[in-house]
Amino acid sequence: QVQLQQSGPGLVKPSQTLSLTCAISGDSVSSNSVAWIWIRQSPSRGLEWLGRTYYRSKWYNDYAVSVKSRITINPDTSKNQFSLQLNSVTPEDTAVYYCARVRGDDAFDIWGQGTMVTVSS
Amino acid sequence: DIQMTQSPSSLSASVGDRVTITCRASQSISSYLNWYQQKPGKAPKLLIYAASSLQSGLPSRFSGSGSGTDFTLTISSLQPEDSATYYCQQSYSTPLTFGPGTKVDIK
Repeated sequence: QVQLQQSGPGLVKPSQTLSLTCAISGDSVSSNSVAWIWIRQSPSRGLEWLGRTYYRSKWYNDYAVSVKSRITINPDTSKNQFSLQLNSVTPEDTAVYYCARVRGDDAFDIWGQGTMVTVSS
Repeated sequence: DIQMTQSPSSLSASVGDRVTITCRASQSISSYLNWYQQKPGKAPKLLIYAASSLQSGLPSRFSGSGSGTDFTLTISSLQPEDSATYYCQQSYSTPLTFGPGTKVDIK
């Protein structure tokens, strides 16, 4: 049974870096048949796909244009997890952040529990 | 970016009713369309993938149809536990985008 467990702070100051981690059990971050993504949800933006990392003989990343200059998604094969870093945050980055697995048919079938992140001084 | 719209934005129906939610893409996405159910305080849950395939273990009262730009999620006989917000999502091209959601309440 695949599970994703998120961790990270719920409060970040403006201009600082938001960092979250998603620990994987029951699957491998290096799997050749899935991708690993971050999504956020806020009342103003709805559900917003932020980016993904996946392994197909080498590592690939794709990011949403809206955050491309500020985001990094990194796999950590030693801990079987992946992370989200979002730099220079503003109050507009306040949202619930989710990690998820994307199957080969491009469906998001496994989700983390969500982390409410508030950007405030 | 591919824009996704949904209608209605909310509905209220009685137990046993047939409920239909519509999703439209701003361009053709073939059958690269998924549906999710989200209850308050929880992560979205995959219901339907590839427009019409029911996710394993879910009740058969949920069904999906459509291709190209127009898609439908149908609940054949609404149950109390179906009270939730439903989202469509295209997986045709990045950025992967979601519809704004349809909130389903039980009368």
